[in-house]
Amino acid sequence: DTGVSQDPRHKITKRGQNVTFRCDPISEHNRLYWYRQTLGQGPEFLTYFQNEAQLEKSRLLSDRFSAERPKGSFSTLEIQRTEQGDSAMYLCASSPGPEAFFGQGTRLTVV
Amino acid sequence: AQTVTQSQPEMSVQEAETVTLSCTYDTSENNYYLFWYKQPPSRQMILVIRQEAYKQQNATENRFSVNFQKAAKSFSLKISDSQLGDTAMYFCASEAMDSSYKLIFGSGTRLLVRP
Repeated sequence: DTGVSQDPRHKITKRGQNVTFRCDPISEHNRLYWYRQTLGQGPEFLTYFQNEAQLEKSRLLSDRFSAERPKGSFSTLEIQRTEQGDSAMYLCASSPGPEAFFGQGTRLTVV
Repeated sequence: AQTVTQSQPEMSVQEAETVTLSCTYDTSENNYYLFWYKQPPSRQMILVIRQEAYKQQNATENRFSVNFQKAAKSFSLKISDSQLGDTAMYFCASEAMDSSYKLIFGSGTRLLVRP
């Protein structure tokens, strides 16, 4: 499979716990994006990487959120001390240019 | 802030008929990209069609075409010969006004194709 892969697909966690999501982009794509999508809304940009450099972070990304892309390959998104408001679908996308290719997302439920 | 507006939360169309989904956007750029993405239930988002703003010709991909009105900042999607598999959320998106290629999405239109 040469598409964007995200793991896990679903995560249920208790409030206050830390969670980490992984994204494996299409191998030749140098750009990687994280978006958050809440029910009934369009995705909202969180952060993006060009190769291993994190070039931009949205104001939505509080200090409880951190993202990495070591060696410009896969990326991880960690949420510390989860809150109920973090419940959402977290989408990863990669691109070589203007067109983005999305993964299936990780659905996070904070209980 | 840059915004994309989809004013139709839900649309319904009979199989084999034609439907048009509306989208307006704002930007101060002259060259940019616009996109329509499809998100089927519980499945990943896929690109339906892309328009480059400097191209006057409207983009077409098989049964999908756009009506791009640059001056009006309007970018509607027309689906011809609707099929049951077209049932999905459709998101209009514009490229952000920087070099990041990040996308600004509308709130989506839920399309139901009736048999």
